[in-house]
Amino acid sequence: DTAVSQTPKYLVTQMGNDKSIKCEQNLGHDTMYWYKQDSKKFLKIMFSYNNKELIINETVPNRFSPKSPDKAHLNLHINSLELGDSAVYFCASSQERGRGVEKLFFGSGTQLSVL
Amino acid sequence: AQTVTQSQPEMSVQEAETVTLSCTYDTSESNYYLFWYKQPPSRQMILVIRQEAYKQQNATENRFSVNFQKAAKSFSLKISDSQLGDTAMYFCAFMKKGGKLIFGQGTELSVKP
Repeated sequence: DTAVSQTPKYLVTQMGNDKSIKCEQNLGHDTMYWYKQDSKKFLKIMFSYNNKELIINETVPNRFSPKSPDKAHLNLHINSLELGDSAVYFCASSQERGRGVEKLFFGSGTQLSVL
Repeated sequence: AQTVTQSQPEMSVQEAETVTLSCTYDTSESNYYLFWYKQPPSRQMILVIRQEAYKQQNATENRFSVNFQKAAKSFSLKISDSQLGDTAMYFCAFMKKGGKLIFGQGTELSVKP
């Protein structure tokens, strides 16, 4: 079973549309993240949730709204899509242990193309 | 703020040879973790190796090892006996306890037959 699964894998849409990307983890982790990988492959955190509470919001436009219905799910909704939103979006999860985070588990990514 | 720098955008190595990827970071934290992630063409992010800052011993995972120089804030990755399957983008990353994972710009490694 996939540890962190995100859907869809590919998303092609027109400018101005609203779209969502879903993420689920079956690892029992407390913390989930959204990362954006741009065309130069640079990975940057967008949001982090711990037990359904937002703990990191990295100056992302208001058009991006994460939602965590429970600690196993973190969805990303994007309103009024723009050309610059084209990127690969990665969901990830982790668990803080006594010595810190062992690693982040990543989903396979969603390639978003805005035309 | 923490930063991670990978100064080699691209590198290549012959199959079976050894290659070292460089990474430096900047932080005032004392308790943190360093990682190397691999991203092959499949796009999947795969953890290669992890180092805890409080440990002086360098981490090793089979053909992969690191040279962790805490005072110099350097964390290089050595790949021995390079294989074609090692061709990928390699990201160095930093995380303080309770913080977020911060990535470097990446190094694209090509292993040539």
